[in-house]
Amino acid sequence: EVQLVESGGGLVQPGGSLRLSCAASGFIFNNYWMTWVRQAPGKGLEWVANINQDGSVRQYVGSVKGRFTISRDNAKNSLHLQMNSLRVEDTATYYCSSGDFFDYWGLGTLVTVSS
Amino acid sequence: QSVLTQPPSASGTPGQRVTISCSGSSSNIGRNGVTWCQQLPGAAPKLLISNNNQRPSGVPDRFSGSRSGASASLTISDLRSEDEADYYCASWDGSLHAWVFGGGTKLTVL
Repeated sequence: EVQLVESGGGLVQPGGSLRLSCAASGFIFNNYWMTWVRQAPGKGLEWVANINQDGSVRQYVGSVKGRFTISRDNAKNSLHLQMNSLRVEDTATYYCSSGDFFDYWGLGTLVTVSS
Repeated sequence: QSVLTQPPSASGTPGQRVTISCSGSSSNIGRNGVTWCQQLPGAAPKLLISNNNQRPSGVPDRFSGSRSGASASLTISDLRSEDEADYYCASWDGSLHAWVFGGGTKLTVL
């Protein structure tokens, strides 16, 4: 059974940093693209970033370029999102998703950026 | 404002057929496949349809997808109360080099 478990969310002040993690199990992790998608409270889904199987291709939505870094550790079946210079508008539940087409999703971790 | 346009709401009665539209452009839906996700109240999203019309195992065949030009649609047949959820379309946008989502459609089963 595929499982994706996000962690690392919390309350942070504007300008601060946070590192999200996603622990994957139940599938061959290094065979698949991995993605972060976020959802602001009461709003729709927004694609944040994705990374290919060996980490050589990383793509980001414009609003996070230069501030967020996606990475993966295939030896530990884990995905990460380093978030720097956080803004109030980054407040959202962050979901980890696997596969080419958002095949599986975790339950999400809430990031709140507020002073 | 989302790159892909969906109606904010849709509704139907049990047993009816409902269609949700998703309008894009030549840089996304017109060139790349469409993915549909379902988000039940209080839950994480779940893949419903990929590549315009491909259902993953476990998704009932009451759910079907289609694409025509730069638009796509999700059709739910034999509507059930448990289908009440938010539905999102998504596609890769070759101009933005990003995945783009529709704003979501809240489906109410009356």
